Amino acid sequence: DQQVKQNSPSLSVQEGRISILNCDYTNSMFDYFLWYKKYPAEGPTFLISISSIKDKNEDGRFTVFLNKSAKHLSLHIVPSQPGDSAVYFCAAIRYRRNDYKLSFGAGTTVTVRA
Amino acid sequence: NAGVTQTPKFRILKIGQSMTLQCTQDMNHNYMYWYRQDPGMGLKLIYYSVGAGITDKGEVPNGYNVSRSTTEDFPLRLELAAPSQTSVYFCASSYTDEAFFGQGTRLTVV
Repeated sequence: DQQVKQNSPSLSVQEGRISILNCDYTNSMFDYFLWYKKYPAEGPTFLISISSIKDKNEDGRFTVFLNKSAKHLSLHIVPSQPGDSAVYFCAAIRYRRNDYKLSFGAGTTVTVRA
Repeated sequence: NAGVTQTPKFRILKIGQSMTLQCTQDMNHNYMYWYRQDPGMGLKLIYYSVGAGITDKGEVPNGYNVSRSTTEDFPLRLELAAPSQTSVYFCASSYTDEAFFGQGTRLTVV
């Protein structure tokens, strides 16, 4: 049973424009959310996170928004750059219960066109 | 700057063979994890450990075993390889929320 869902397998965006990646979750016990980026033949690397007590977290070109009532989060990349072409995974944990096992979505492949 | 190191990077196994995927971390993290990634799917948790001597099953543990005798090492054992175990395997470690991943082991069972 997939508790974290990324319904868009792929996204193509022009360089300089905004990339918006979406993620939904079903388990209301999740209280901390992370985005990971993965290049081919490499392991995932941490990108940005957000606690359920916030609705927005920003780090440079990357912003994550959380809508708890809708159980939805999104990652905005502005402006998109060619180096952003990668697979992006949404993940969730139950931080307050000290349960750090990541539940992952299926990933969204982002392609940034020059 | 080693982080999480996995070996081997690639392996081809015949059905019924066994092997151990090695994982070591140098960050003194208590938590360690094994995930597998199948095409078009997210990462699925196989086993995890919250500290030396303590392991527990994840979502997809069948066909695998683990041990955690030290903080640094968390090997994953496949006893009787099956084609369904063809996948990319990732080891990870964490202090709390941010997990660090190894580069992965691509395993093919034929």
